[in-house]
Amino acid sequence: GENVEQHPSTLSVQEGDSAVIKCTYSDSASNYFPWYKQELGKRPQLIIDIRSNVGEKKDQRIAVTLNKTAKHFSLHITETQPEDSAVYFCAATTYGNNRLAFGKGNQVVVIP
Amino acid sequence: DTAVSQTPKYLVTQMGNDKSIKCEQNLGHDTMYWYKQDSKKFLKIMFSYNNKELIINETVPNRFSPKSPDKAHLNLHINSLELGDSAVYFCASSHVSGSEETQYFGPGTRLLVL
Repeated sequence: GENVEQHPSTLSVQEGDSAVIKCTYSDSASNYFPWYKQELGKRPQLIIDIRSNVGEKKDQRIAVTLNKTAKHFSLHITETQPEDSAVYFCAATTYGNNRLAFGKGNQVVVIP
Repeated sequence: DTAVSQTPKYLVTQMGNDKSIKCEQNLGHDTMYWYKQDSKKFLKIMFSYNNKELIINETVPNRFSPKSPDKAHLNLHINSLELGDSAVYFCASSHVSGSEETQYFGPGTRLLVL
């Protein structure tokens, strides 16, 4: 089955700087890659996703890039703010597959 | 924000007890899931039901028994609770249609076994 790895496990950034989280996946058939944000004590919530037919997607201060050849995808957060502090999970799956393979999560800490 | 709901939100109980957690979704999705999140934050899939049929059954002790009375509900019953069952349990739902795979999570049930 699909195996997703996330790096680094913890990331501390100064407010206003950028944060980048990288994930690699093992199954070349995977074609859907969501990112979830989980604030302390809350549920994981989808913040952005990307499908394999595009290489990049942006939504305000967050963006995701996908390199299918290298089988990795990354989350980019620009102009970080304290409310960006959370655990971020990447995941991968194929269309029609009801199993999302999650990474182990990255703790992002934005230092004011 | 109440698209996927769970009850109870908190559950504190003694070892050996039996407890149930309920989940409901009003998104019209056909697939529902149970995840366990331990103190290390890893999201571990436990079960998945599609149209009331069990399709994912991970290596979970048989003290855990899911039940799906209809597409909108997925409950989790746990027998003979153990200390290691303490975790946050998340329900999720999705529509596995081939173009929309996003899973939406419930608020979680924080289970503490004493």
